[in-house]
Amino acid sequence: EAEVAQSPRYKITEKSQAVAFWCDPISGHATLYWYRQILGQGPELLVQFQDESVVDDSQLPKDRFSAERLKGVDSTLKIQPAELGDSAMYLCASSAQTDYTEAFFGQGTRLTVV
Amino acid sequence: SQKIEQNSEALNIQEGKTATLTCNYTNYSPAYLQWYRQDPGRGPVFLLLIRENEKEKRKERLKVTFDTTLKQSLFHITASQPADSATYLCALDERSNYQLIWGAGTKLIIKP
Repeated sequence: EAEVAQSPRYKITEKSQAVAFWCDPISGHATLYWYRQILGQGPELLVQFQDESVVDDSQLPKDRFSAERLKGVDSTLKIQPAELGDSAMYLCASSAQTDYTEAFFGQGTRLTVV
Repeated sequence: SQKIEQNSEALNIQEGKTATLTCNYTNYSPAYLQWYRQDPGRGPVFLLLIRENEKEKRKERLKVTFDTTLKQSLFHITASQPADSATYLCALDERSNYQLIWGAGTKLIIKP
């Protein structure tokens, strides 16, 4: 069964360092999402791509976060510099652009900033 | 302001009973409402979708209802099992840009 791949699974970094997360969506899925989830809360959308274009990055802290999906397939989310408050689960999801938006999630990257 | 509310307290249910979880929303007009299951340390997994013109949807032991007048969806698990213990998230789609808006989830605990 097709899955969304994310790496790394866990990441510990010191504050002010740079960190990057990678996501490979399900083949053929045009829409890719990056979410941040804090324990006890629902996923918060950071950025949404349609193919290689950004559809929505209104919640992305652009002074330190960046995201790209150069060829409209896999994607990278970067944080530089990392802050203590960035500690969270970072989830990637993809969906086919059909008449509804069932999202398929990866396992996530658990980031701890120390 | 726009809100999606799910019970923040954990729901404890005896094995074999029906578990009912609630999702209320305000100031949205969703085209679809979806329910996901999330286990600790993992990403959410899609369970069911219900459209605005549907009242009820079933899948095996799962049932979802959608009342657009009350702005509420109920999620039922019948004959609950300890393996059903997880956090259940509701998410709605405002039809505009394939974007889901998420509730905070309700933790369900099924006791043997």
